[in-house]
Amino acid sequence: EVQLVESGGGLVQPGRSLRLSCAASGFGFETNVMHWVRQAPGKGLEWISGISWNIGEIAYADSVKGRFTLSRDKVRNSLYLEMNSLRVDDTAVYYCAKSGSSTWHLDSWGQGTLVTVSS
Amino acid sequence: DIQMTQSPSTLSASVGDRVTITCRASRNINSWLAWYQQKPGKVPNVLIYQASTLESGVPSRFSGSESGTEFTLTISSLQSDDFATYYCQQYDTYPWTFGQGTKVEIK
Repeated sequence: EVQLVESGGGLVQPGRSLRLSCAASGFGFETNVMHWVRQAPGKGLEWISGISWNIGEIAYADSVKGRFTLSRDKVRNSLYLEMNSLRVDDTAVYYCAKSGSSTWHLDSWGQGTLVTVSS
Repeated sequence: DIQMTQSPSTLSASVGDRVTITCRASRNINSWLAWYQQKPGKVPNVLIYQASTLESGVPSRFSGSESGTEFTLTISSLQSDDFATYYCQQYDTYPWTFGQGTKVEIK
């Protein structure tokens, strides 16, 4: 069974940093791509970053490029999102999700972790 | 970036109605389109991928189609469990982008 478990959310002041983690299990990682998707309160879904598990190719949305860094630990089967220079509009539930290895859509999602940026 | 324009933003319907939601891509996305359902406080759940392929376990009343850069999600006979928000998403080109969402409400 695929399991994606996010952690690291919380309340943080504007301009500060936070690191989110996603522990993954129950599937073969080599041909998958892992992602972060966020949802601000009462708003729609926003894809923010993805990483090819095997080759480490990374992509970012313009809204987070230069401030957020995505990485993975192949030994721990974990995904990380380092978020710097946080802004009030980064407040959202952050979901870890995986792409199907041959179908590419987001076929499994974690339960999400809430990040609140406020002074 | 590829823009995904979804309509309508809100839809009022009754149980048993046929419901259609449309999503238009700003350019060719080669059928790399998925539809997700999200209920309040819950995680999004994929319904359709590659424009028209039904995800395993999803009821057959859901279907997807495409015509060029226009994509359609159809619910053939709306059930009470289907009142939710629906999102389209392109995964042809980074950055991946979602439509704004369509909230299906009880009429």
